[in-house]
Amino acid sequence: EIVLTQSPGTLSLSPGERATLSCRASQSISSSYLGWYQQKPGQAPRLLIYGASSRATGIPDRFSGSGSGTDFTLTISRLEPEDFAVYYCQQYGSFTFGPGTKVDIK
Amino acid sequence: EVQLVESGGGLVQPGRSLRLSCAASGFTFDDYAMHWVRQAPGKGLEWVSGINWNSGSRDYADSVKGRFTISRDNAKNSLYLQMNSLRAEDTALYYCARVLRRGGSGYYSSFDYWGQGTLVTVSS
Repeated sequence: EIVLTQSPGTLSLSPGERATLSCRASQSISSSYLGWYQQKPGQAPRLLIYGASSRATGIPDRFSGSGSGTDFTLTISRLEPEDFAVYYCQQYGSFTFGPGTKVDIK
Repeated sequence: EVQLVESGGGLVQPGRSLRLSCAASGFTFDDYAMHWVRQAPGKGLEWVSGINWNSGSRDYADSVKGRFTISRDNAKNSLYLQMNSLRAEDTALYYCARVLRRGGSGYYSSFDYWGQGTLVTVSS
């Protein structure tokens, strides 16, 4: 079973700063099978990135994904107030999610 | 507009059963695989089960295997989750989700539409 680890657990930043979130897999996965989601309190998750680097429909270009093998990254180039949320990675070979990274306001 | 509306949640005693439903609209339901994902209070996302477009493939998380059964009725545009032998640790908000890509290969793709969830509480 592939286990996903996300770091850091919490990221405290200010609006306008750059956020870099990491997702590491316990074994190599196809980039095609890696996605990122955003979840705000009281809301369902929203797909941000699929195939490791493709933005989903309607996602602003300040969100970008990269990586391959076991190491993947979600980058938010300049944080907007609405970006403070929890972010999950998912590998959909077996559909498991990482534990999440909370991005909160510093 | 794609809509997924879950129902069937509630308070149930340990060991009892519950059946969740997800009504889909706004897309050709039988073109897409569907999944159930749950979230315990204050916790992260846990994938529960998935089913491909024609029910030919079904998968389950180890935590629910043998107790939960996923099914779909394409004529009714509906997804179901039959949950038996419920445990306290099954307490969660249960979401249904649609995959991004249509067709057979779409089973293994991201989840692009989610419902708002239905809450299941297992307690005596």
